[in-house]
Amino acid sequence: GAGVSQTPSNKVTEKGKYVELRCDPISGHTALYWYRQSLGQGPEFLIYFQGTGAADDSGLPNDRFFAVRPEGSVSTLKIQRTERGDSAVYLCASSRGSVYEQYFGPGTRLTVT
Amino acid sequence: GENVEQHPSTLSVQEGDSAVIKCTYSDSASNYFPWYKQELGKRPQLIIDIRSNVGEKKDQRIAVTLNKTAKHFSLHITETQPEDSAVYFCAASIGRGGADGLTFGKGTHLIIQP
Repeated sequence: GAGVSQTPSNKVTEKGKYVELRCDPISGHTALYWYRQSLGQGPEFLIYFQGTGAADDSGLPNDRFFAVRPEGSVSTLKIQRTERGDSAVYLCASSRGSVYEQYFGPGTRLTVT
Repeated sequence: GENVEQHPSTLSVQEGDSAVIKCTYSDSASNYFPWYKQELGKRPQLIIDIRSNVGEKKDQRIAVTLNKTAKHFSLHITETQPEDSAVYFCAASIGRGGADGLTFGKGTHLIIQP
């Protein structure tokens, strides 16, 4: 079946602008995760949804970052007042919830100029 | 929070030889340890995982071992092939009542020399 998809694949924005990144999980996966990967580093956990609620948002770096999953499927990561340090690849992953295997999407490369 | 250390950062082996990548973790509550392979510009792909109730797991040329007492786990690749060249990441998770966020190591760049 279809894997995790993310849009857009690339996003270039100016410092101070607002951006939204979208994730479509594997159908039927109740758990959804957002990670951020900087060049040469491993993915860094941001937030985890079980269903519609954020079960763990301890990885969000500050209050400029927010994520929603209103219907328990598609999720949107929102970044306000973007800074150059936000430039990274934003990865989304999903899993069947009580099973641990996480499957990643292709990522959105965010560049803040 | 959890901290995962991974070594080496770069590993070069001859084709056909074995490769071993090692990771340590800090939180004794961690109970799920996956390994991901990431090719340049691609998404991380799950290649094998192990849970804390087993000490070793094998899948063809790939094996993972876990030592909960010492809080370390290792990835073993035998009979390496050119297509094994990639960056490999270990990760750990506490998995409170289900899945939760993974803490990743910094990665090992595996180079298979022909």
